[in-house]
Amino acid sequence: GENVEQHPSTLSVQEGDSAVIKCTYSDSASNYFPWYKQELGKRPQLIIDIRSNVGEKKDQRIAVTLNKTAKHFSLHITETQPEDSAVYFCAASPQGSQGNLIFGKGTKLSVKP
Amino acid sequence: GAGVSQSPSNKVTEKGKDVELRCDPISGHTALYWYRQSLGQGLEFLIYFQGNSAPDKSGLPSDRFSAERTGGSVSTLTIQRTQQEDSAVYLCASSFGLAGLAGELFFGEGSRLTVL
Repeated sequence: GENVEQHPSTLSVQEGDSAVIKCTYSDSASNYFPWYKQELGKRPQLIIDIRSNVGEKKDQRIAVTLNKTAKHFSLHITETQPEDSAVYFCAASPQGSQGNLIFGKGTKLSVKP
Repeated sequence: GAGVSQSPSNKVTEKGKDVELRCDPISGHTALYWYRQSLGQGLEFLIYFQGNSAPDKSGLPSDRFSAERTGGSVSTLTIQRTQQEDSAVYLCASSFGLAGLAGELFFGEGSRLTVL
């Protein structure tokens, strides 16, 4: 089955700096790659996603890139703010899974003011 | 309500007891997921229901875990003979899984299980 690896497990940046979180997946047929943000004590929420027919997607300060050949995708956050502090999870949906999602272990991002 | 509802929000039980956790998904969502989140850990996949298809049970950690979804709506996750390592937050999510394609998951608040 699909296996998703996520790095780093923790990341600390200064406010205003950029943050990059990377994920790799094992199933080359996976076709959907979302990112979820979980603030302390809250439920995970979708922040951005990308499908396998697209190489990059942006939404204001966040962007996701996908390299299908290398089977990895990354989340980029620019001009980080303290409210970006949270745990971020990447996920992949194997093509034959009818929509199932397998998550990485998460990255705890801390943005220092 | 408009969101995914889970109950109980907190459950403390003794080792060896059975527990049932309930999830009421968003109306009209065909896909329902159960994940387990241990303290400081990631979202561990347990089981996935999509419409009338056979559920994907590949994430269930042992035969003490089972889940069902009645009438394509409410789901119950049952843990038999609970062990201390079962202590975690059990998260349910649902999505409008059009034709089995993954879409945005809407998570419930979770059920925090503590096994003494």
